[in-house]
Amino acid sequence: GESVGLHLPTLSVQEGDNSIINCAYSNSASDYFIWYKQESGKGPQFIIDIRSNMDKRQGQRVTVLLNKTVKHLSLQIAATQPGDSAVYFCAEKGFNKFYFGSGTKLNVKP
Amino acid sequence: GAVVSQHPSRVICKSGTSVKIECRSLDFQATTMFWYRQFPKQSLMLMATSNEGSKATYEQGVEKDKFLINHASLTLSTLTVTSAHPEDSSFYICSAMLGGSSNQPQHFGDGTRLSIL
Repeated sequence: GESVGLHLPTLSVQEGDNSIINCAYSNSASDYFIWYKQESGKGPQFIIDIRSNMDKRQGQRVTVLLNKTVKHLSLQIAATQPGDSAVYFCAEKGFNKFYFGSGTKLNVKP
Repeated sequence: GAVVSQHPSRVICKSGTSVKIECRSLDFQATTMFWYRQFPKQSLMLMATSNEGSKATYEQGVEKDKFLINHASLTLSTLTVTSAHPEDSSFYICSAMLGGSSNQPQHFGDGTRLSIL
């Protein structure tokens, strides 16, 4: 099967700092990637997506970078806020299914 | 837009009971819905892909007779955990996709916490 993994299981940052969450994927044929945020007891919430024909996409305070050469995806959160504390998952689309990475817990310290 | 509603949010029942979980797309039609299972502090594990009007596609290792999926309309998919046992206790999450094969994000429900005593 396909695998999507993360380099860091937990990340602690100071409020106001920038956060970078990384993800490695294994299927070079995957053409669509998504970052999700999951708060405790809730379903994942869409943050930002990127197609494989792009290497960067920006949203409000978030940027996703895609490096297809090394099959690496990252999520950058600018000026991290306490409300950003959650678990973040990357997801990779292959064969019309989505496969999720293991997740990174982001702790924002006030 | 793109709201997915999942019901119930929590179920506690005795071993041997069958439990039905509903997943509804409230403001869009979803030809494809997905069912996931999530254990504490772990990622989402895809169980099956639910296609409107056809049989669900199950991932390897998921028992289709244990986890019955029905997708009878474009806005509703159901997952029935048959004869549930304590090891079936988990967080079950559904998602729905706007497009078919196009690159569109999934939209998730808020999950169902299933506890089997």
